[in-house]
Amino acid sequence: AQTVTQSQPEMSVQEAETVTLSCTYDTSESDYYLFWYKQPPSRQMILVIRQEAYKQQNATENRFSVNFQKAAKSFSLKISDSQLGDAAMYFCAYRSEAGIIIQGAQKLVFGQGTRLTINP
Amino acid sequence: DAGVTQSPTHLIKTRGQQVTLRCSPKSGHDTVSWYQQALGQGPQFIFQYYEEEERQRGNFPDRFSGHQFPNYSSELNVNALLLGDSALYLCASSRRTGEAFFGQGTRLTVV
Repeated sequence: AQTVTQSQPEMSVQEAETVTLSCTYDTSESDYYLFWYKQPPSRQMILVIRQEAYKQQNATENRFSVNFQKAAKSFSLKISDSQLGDAAMYFCAYRSEAGIIIQGAQKLVFGQGTRLTINP
Repeated sequence: DAGVTQSPTHLIKTRGQQVTLRCSPKSGHDTVSWYQQALGQGPQFIFQYYEEEERQRGNFPDRFSGHQFPNYSSELNVNALLLGDSALYLCASSRRTGEAFFGQGTRLTVV
């Protein structure tokens, strides 16, 4: 079974600075997606960024970028120019692509989360 | 587009009772998944419905059951509630091969 580990329960950063959140995962599969979700106090999970395992190029979305190291099974999230609105719980998640044609979209396996605080 | 909607937003139940949570998927989505998120934890997969059938199930007892209707909406039922069932229950919808969109969840408190 796949597992996702986030080793930083809490992180804090000064506004406008850069912060990196860590995530490692364990899988024997070769075809999968990795995601970072943000969960603000409103509780709704919001997709921040995703990475296809077959792509070597790291994904970027505006101020958010990832460092995907497939061999090391590492998937970190870098937030540049941190803003007060970035404060939230951040979850790393894994999704297998195996069996997707028959079963449909696969389940997400989440890490334990990292609480990010932005200091003004 | 209303996105994924869940009802109710909050619920308080007594041990031993039964509860039904509801989810309407985002327009165009045909797959609904349910997750349980205990306080301070990441969401745990309960089960997933596609074409009105349960396609995948996580490590949850049979007290947790569900249903998907022809309009793709879904229900999560929990019987014989335990204190440990207190959690945020999240619904996510997707197309079969697409990314998941989440609702705001139902906060269930069992007393």
